[in-house]
Amino acid sequence: SAVISQKPSRDICQRGTSLTIQCQVDSQVTMMFWYRQQPGQSLTLIATANQGSEATYESGFVIDKFPISRPNLTFSTLTVSNMSPEDSSIYLCSVPRTGVAYGYTFGSGTRLTVV
Amino acid sequence: AQKITQTQPGMFVQEKEAVTLDCTYDTSDQSYGLFWYKQPSSGEMIFLIYQGSYDEQNATEGRYSLNFQKARKSANLVISASQLGDSAMYFCAMRETGFQKLVFGTGTRLLVSP
Repeated sequence: SAVISQKPSRDICQRGTSLTIQCQVDSQVTMMFWYRQQPGQSLTLIATANQGSEATYESGFVIDKFPISRPNLTFSTLTVSNMSPEDSSIYLCSVPRTGVAYGYTFGSGTRLTVV
Repeated sequence: AQKITQTQPGMFVQEKEAVTLDCTYDTSDQSYGLFWYKQPSSGEMIFLIYQGSYDEQNATEGRYSLNFQKARKSANLVISASQLGDSAMYFCAMRETGFQKLVFGTGTRLLVSP
């Protein structure tokens, strides 16, 4: 399966600032997914990032707040903009597992605290 | 719309015992996939097991098995011989054919005691 390196693993940020989260995959993948997990909650898909096209955002998430970059088939970034304490969450990237017909591999997550 | 329901917010089990974590789903699609993931306190998501809607046999992966009852729309995870390291959050998720994204349930926190 693909191996994902996600950075940073955690951060504490001031409200009003922005944080960019990076995911590097050790193989080429067409689709990458970005999820948010608010404290004590389940995972919610933010957007799907395809290389060479704009990301597709889920209902309730907008590009101005969560801009996504996908410059090539192995890398993507998610920026959390103009942060507020409500943005405190774990953010995870995910890609389809390689070599098998199903399943997804997740990055190790970014634990964000906004103060 | 897809929906995953996990009705057990928390479960307790003693080491070496078996435990069943419940998951029901709702979909109008005939072709779909069901997943279970484990999330330790570190936050990573660990893939455990997969069941396709057309799979005739229940999936098994080591100590994990999936009790798939299609008519009831349930996909319960069975962990045999629980270990202390099994203490974690467990999420059931579904993917419908034609969609790549996963929809997750609310999760069950499992605590394994010595």
